[in-house]
Amino acid sequence: AQSVAQPEDQVNVAEGNPLTVKCTYSVSGNPYLFWYVQYPNRGLQFLLKYITGDNLVKGSYGFEAEFNKSQTSFHLKKPSALVSDSALYFCAVRDMEQAGTALIFGKGTTLSVSS
Amino acid sequence: NAGVTQTPKFQVLKTGQSMTLQCAQDMNHNSMYWYRQDPGMGLRLIYYSASEGTTDKGEVPNGYNVSRLNKREFSLRLESAAPSQTSVYFCASRYSGGTYEQYFGPGTRLTVT
Repeated sequence: AQSVAQPEDQVNVAEGNPLTVKCTYSVSGNPYLFWYVQYPNRGLQFLLKYITGDNLVKGSYGFEAEFNKSQTSFHLKKPSALVSDSALYFCAVRDMEQAGTALIFGKGTTLSVSS
Repeated sequence: NAGVTQTPKFQVLKTGQSMTLQCAQDMNHNSMYWYRQDPGMGLRLIYYSASEGTTDKGEVPNGYNVSRLNKREFSLRLESAAPSQTSVYFCASRYSGGTYEQYFGPGTRLTVT
């Protein structure tokens, strides 16, 4: 079955330090991978995606993600965290088995950046 | 562009009551989706509409119905609300010719007592 796992419910990091939010996936075929961010009481905002090509993908707000096919991972990274990065982050993969190309979401990781 | 809009923002229902959640997008997207978000469970797909005139069930369709009124609008109806339907509901849309990222509305927070 297709799935997305975010192994950490919460990640804590100090402002200015690098951050990593982990994601692993299980799908048939080549994955289409996404990261979204959700601020309190808001909808999800698209951050970045991997479809094909370079394994390091750059997105909004200085975030990037590294696709690793052998480890079936797509970790979200940022070289220097900001307090304003504190939010809920979702990894998602395109549903390859259902028509309509919905997304399958992980359970989310809360990122807390302290000043 | 307003993007994806949802109404209402908040709603409280009593068990057994019915209501319709409204969603509209102004991005000329073909596909639209309804998800529910529950703590610790991420987002789960309720129904989707790949194009105007079509709708299909997602992972958790029981207790819900949908209508794709036109290309812009996709509504979600709860015929007889249950406490298990207390959740935050998100509508999303996607351009079919694109690379599959979806764009989300601000959500409707529904409480069923």
